[in-house]
Amino acid sequence: GAVVSQHPSRVICKSGTSVKIECRSLDFQATTMFWYRQFPKQSLMLMATSNEGSKATYEQGVEKDKFLINHASLTLSTLTVTSAHPEDSSFYICSARGGGRETQYFGPGTRLLVL
Amino acid sequence: GENVEQHPSTLSVQEGDSAVIKCTYSDSASNYFPWYKQELGKGPQLIIDIRSNVGEKKDQRIAVTLNKTAKHFSLHITETQPEDSAVYFCAASKMEGSNYKLTFGKGTLLTVNP
Repeated sequence: GAVVSQHPSRVICKSGTSVKIECRSLDFQATTMFWYRQFPKQSLMLMATSNEGSKATYEQGVEKDKFLINHASLTLSTLTVTSAHPEDSSFYICSARGGGRETQYFGPGTRLLVL
Repeated sequence: GENVEQHPSTLSVQEGDSAVIKCTYSDSASNYFPWYKQELGKGPQLIIDIRSNVGEKKDQRIAVTLNKTAKHFSLHITETQPEDSAVYFCAASKMEGSNYKLTFGKGTLLTVNP
């Protein structure tokens, strides 16, 4: 149980375009979803927390107008990187928790490369 | 805010030996401590967790210990196998507002040599 999927697993886009990443909880209802960013050989950096039906809460230094997060249902959250630039290239990972428990289950990640 | 320190940053062991990774945390309000294993190019996988009302937990070859007074917790892997090679992250969790927030350590690259 507690499976989280992400799509796409890898995406290459041109500078200035927008990219949408989907995160789904497959076998549980995710009341909260989290979006992380990870640079090579570094730890996970929390970008934002989203509760179903509410606006996302962004961490300090993360531009909410650049990283749009939508958590419209208990099984789906999306992250849209708007007007992507090469410095946005990174590994983006979502996680989800539900059922009143604090355990976060992570998706497999999405590798974004902006040319 | 919470600060989690993790040591060592790299660890190399021979197959069959034990591996120990240690973490310390700063916020006494943290009460949940998961450990994640991340293989190259993949997302972190939860391997074991412990809550602050428990001192030790074991799951086959993996065990975690927690010392609340000293604010440190450790991961122990016995009889290591090459497939245990990965980056391991410790984390500390506490409630912030209505949400649980995880703070991660910087990770330990474990290499198990055949």
